Amino acid sequence: QVQLVQSGAEVKKPGASVKVSCKVSGYTLTELSMHWVRQAPGKGLEWMGGFDPEDGETIYAQKFQGRVTMTEDTSTDTAYMELSSLRSEDTAVYYCATDRIYYDILTGYYRAYNWFDPWGQGTLVTVSS
Amino acid sequence: SSELTQDPAVSVALGQTVRITCQGDSLRSYYASWYQQKPGQAPVLVIYGKNNRPSGIPDRFSGSSSGNTASLTITGAQAEDEADYYCNSRDSSGQVFGGGTKLTVL
Repeated sequence: QVQLVQSGAEVKKPGASVKVSCKVSGYTLTELSMHWVRQAPGKGLEWMGGFDPEDGETIYAQKFQGRVTMTEDTSTDTAYMELSSLRSEDTAVYYCATDRIYYDILTGYYRAYNWFDPWGQGTLVTVSS
Repeated sequence: SSELTQDPAVSVALGQTVRITCQGDSLRSYYASWYQQKPGQAPVLVIYGKNNRPSGIPDRFSGSSSGNTASLTITGAQAEDEADYYCNSRDSSGQVFGGGTKLTVL
C-alpha cells in the first residue's frame, strides 16, 4: 500500500521560491506517476503537473510552465515540487498524489491508470510580505 | 486545455439518492475519477475507471458515463457523505479537475 508523507508548512515572501517534498513508502517511485495538485483557500482542486509515462516526461499545466519544477530522487523515493516567483495568489495547500504505471502489452507502451490514489496530507504554503 | 463542469452545490435528504454530474469534452475519450473531500482533509478516491470503488468505499457509491457527461451516484446518502466532490480526467494537456460540488445531506 502506497503512503505519502509531505513536508511541513512554509511561509514565504513574495518573489521567493518554495520546495515541497513528498516521501513515498510501500512502493518505489519508479512504479508510480507522481502528480501535484493545489487548493487555494476555499477553492477547488487545481492540477499543476505530473509524470506522464506514455511520454516518459513530466508535463506541467500551462499556467505554471516556467515557474514550477517537479523532480524525483529515486534513491530516497522522494518527489519534490518547486514553485518560484511566489505571489500571494500562490497561497494554497499543495498535495502530491500518485497514479500507478503499468505496461500495456498490446501497444508496448507504459501507461498510467489516470486516477490518483492515495494523496499526501497536504502542505500549506503561505505567501505573505 | 479542456474544462470539466460541475454544479456548485447539491442537496439530498438522508437516505435518498443523489446524482452529481460532470461535463466536459475530455470525458468522450477518458473515464472520470471521483474524489471526496471533507473539511481539512486530503481528497479521497471514491470511483475510478468505468465504475470501480477502491477498497473501503461503501457500495452506495457508483459511477456512470454517457457521451461528455460522467455521474457519481450515492444511493441511500448518509450524513457522513456530506462533503465536496470533484471529478477528474485526463485531457490533451495533462489532467483536469472539475470545479467541485458541495453535497449537503439534509
